[in-house]
Amino acid sequence: DTAVSQTPKYLVTQMGNDKSIKCEQNLGHDTMYWYKQDSKKFLKIMFSYNNKELIINETVPNRFSPKSPDKAHLNLHINSLELGDSAVYFCASSQRGYNSPLHFGNGTRLTVT
Amino acid sequence: DQQVKQNSPSLSVQEGRISILNCDYTNSMFDYFLWYKKYPAEGPTFLISISSIKDKNEDGRFTVFLNKSAKHLSLHIVPSQPGDSAVYFCAATSSNTGNQFYFGTGTSLTVIP
Repeated sequence: DTAVSQTPKYLVTQMGNDKSIKCEQNLGHDTMYWYKQDSKKFLKIMFSYNNKELIINETVPNRFSPKSPDKAHLNLHINSLELGDSAVYFCASSQRGYNSPLHFGNGTRLTVT
Repeated sequence: DQQVKQNSPSLSVQEGRISILNCDYTNSMFDYFLWYKKYPAEGPTFLISISSIKDKNEDGRFTVFLNKSAKHLSLHIVPSQPGDSAVYFCAATSSNTGNQFYFGTGTSLTVIP
């Protein structure tokens, strides 16, 4: 009964490939997010969707494209992977409202070789 | 530009003693602050929060203190237990940033039995 689940947990791929990370939440939350944790352990927001609508789109290369088929799912597709994309990507969800805590998935460690 | 900073990357404390984790922020518009705890290979989990209308919030062994004039908050854990060993992230948001949370880089706490 995992609240926020993301797959795969580990992803190793070569430069230039296209890959996707999937995320699902069963908490009934309206808002979902993608965060990136880089090598300096800095957690930075990439995207936020509220009920399938994009509400936050930080300065992220357009090789990254989020897709939300419904409010329980937010997938992340990455085209033409680069070495610098190596990081841990966390999916999260929250209730609507700026002071609702985030609930995170366990992360996907992406390694681009 | 990092708006939330945790200047101590690591902290070691003896079991039973107090752990104090510190966090500083630069944006005076932040009005809601959270602490997250993260174990290896897991996502961050929400621990405790505080609104800017308060200066203290307590939940069991965990207390968060907020000093708005100094733009500083701290998390106190008393008594510290070995299971508290984890990375602790401070986060902040405001009512005018939507659901955007800004995270610090974390402090790794080790509680020595």
